[in-house]
Amino acid sequence: TQLLEQSPQFLSIQEGENLTVYCNSSSVFSSLQWYRQEPGEGPVLLVTVVTGGEVKKLKRLTFQFGDARKDSSLHITAAQPGDTGLYLCAGAPFYGAGSYQLTFGKGTKLSVIP
Amino acid sequence: DVKVTQSSRYLVKRTGEKVFLECVQDMDHENMFWYRQDPGLGLRLIYFSYDVKMKEKGDIPEGYSVSREKKERFSLILESASTNQTSMYLCASTVLAGVYEQYFGPGTRLTVT
Repeated sequence: TQLLEQSPQFLSIQEGENLTVYCNSSSVFSSLQWYRQEPGEGPVLLVTVVTGGEVKKLKRLTFQFGDARKDSSLHITAAQPGDTGLYLCAGAPFYGAGSYQLTFGKGTKLSVIP
Repeated sequence: DVKVTQSSRYLVKRTGEKVFLECVQDMDHENMFWYRQDPGLGLRLIYFSYDVKMKEKGDIPEGYSVSREKKERFSLILESASTNQTSMYLCASTVLAGVYEQYFGPGTRLTVT
């Protein structure tokens, strides 16, 4: 069974601070996805990283895929209240592995206090 | 834009009732999924379908069934609702190949009393 461990589980920071969320596994994934979920809504895809070592930027958010494709991180610079939400990472299987399911982490709940 | 819609945002049902949750996607995706989300437990896969009339059990199928008569529509059925099925139910869809990015509906908050 593949597992994705996210840390921290909860994070409460002041507006303007920087933060990093981690997503770790002992399994190798073909790609790693990050979603953000606001209260009462479904998760929304933020980014997919595919290549080991890949770094992607989305405004103040920086996503990195580990070289071995087992882990990923999300760094937010100068957090804003609009960044508040549940951040989920999800690992995708390799094509042909016989599975189409994503492995989800349990999420990091971020609160940015104005 | 991919759109996944769910029939209800909020639903209150009584114990023992049969409950239908419907999900429709407009992107011609082959795969569709039903999850439930509970605090501390994360997203748990109930059932998924990779084709019309095909279904596969996920991690927690007990007490649930599904129906996929058309490619765009995937229904989750609670045969006899129980209080431990009170949860947020999320539907998602994805293409059959590639990076399997999932597109989620807005969710249905089901309360069973």
